[in-house]
Amino acid sequence: KAGVTQTPRYLIKTRGQQVTLSCSPISGHRSVSWYQQTPGQGLQFLFEYFSETQRNKGNFPGRFSGRQFSNSRSEMNVSTLELGDSALYLCASSLGLAEWNTGELFFGEGSRLTVL
Amino acid sequence: AQKVTQAQTEISVVEKEDVTLDCVYETRDTTYYLFWYKQPPSGELVFLIRRNSFDEQNEISGRYSWNFQKSTSSFNFTITASQVVDSAVYFCALELTGGGNKLTFGTGTQLKVEL
Repeated sequence: KAGVTQTPRYLIKTRGQQVTLSCSPISGHRSVSWYQQTPGQGLQFLFEYFSETQRNKGNFPGRFSGRQFSNSRSEMNVSTLELGDSALYLCASSLGLAEWNTGELFFGEGSRLTVL
Repeated sequence: AQKVTQAQTEISVVEKEDVTLDCVYETRDTTYYLFWYKQPPSGELVFLIRRNSFDEQNEISGRYSWNFQKSTSSFNFTITASQVVDSAVYFCALELTGGGNKLTFGTGTQLKVEL
């Protein structure tokens, strides 16, 4: 079956702009998580959505937001971009059958954002 | 707060050698999950194993094996008879039970397997 699809794969923005990244989970998966990966901070959890509700959030400023649609597709938005936002943004999906189920995560290949 | 330490930044081995990747974790919670993920150059993280904190039984899957020791808070990963295709960055991660897929990752170990 098709894996997790993230778009766009690469993008370049300038400081102050905003960006929207998209993630299509594996069919049937209802949980979508977002992670930021940078050389300095490593992999950090941004937030997780399940059935259109954000049920967990990491320690990121309010400039980072997300949402999930009824078809489980998710978007994340970063406003007022800063140089430090340059990173690989990874989306992961899982079944998430129980409210707090810990499931195997399936990751996409990521969206690489460069902020100039 | 949780913490995962992978002290080995980079390991280089020759094909067919065995290699062990170390992982040490810190948490005050008594129930948690531990994970290993592989990240090839393409970027996506590939799930390798999940281990429940109540299950200290070691596991073997083909050339891969995992040694979970609660007494030392370690969850080490061994690749037997390494192959060039094993070259990747390997991440150890921890999630508290009820954590809603919020994983705390280590900094990763870059494994290079050469001919």
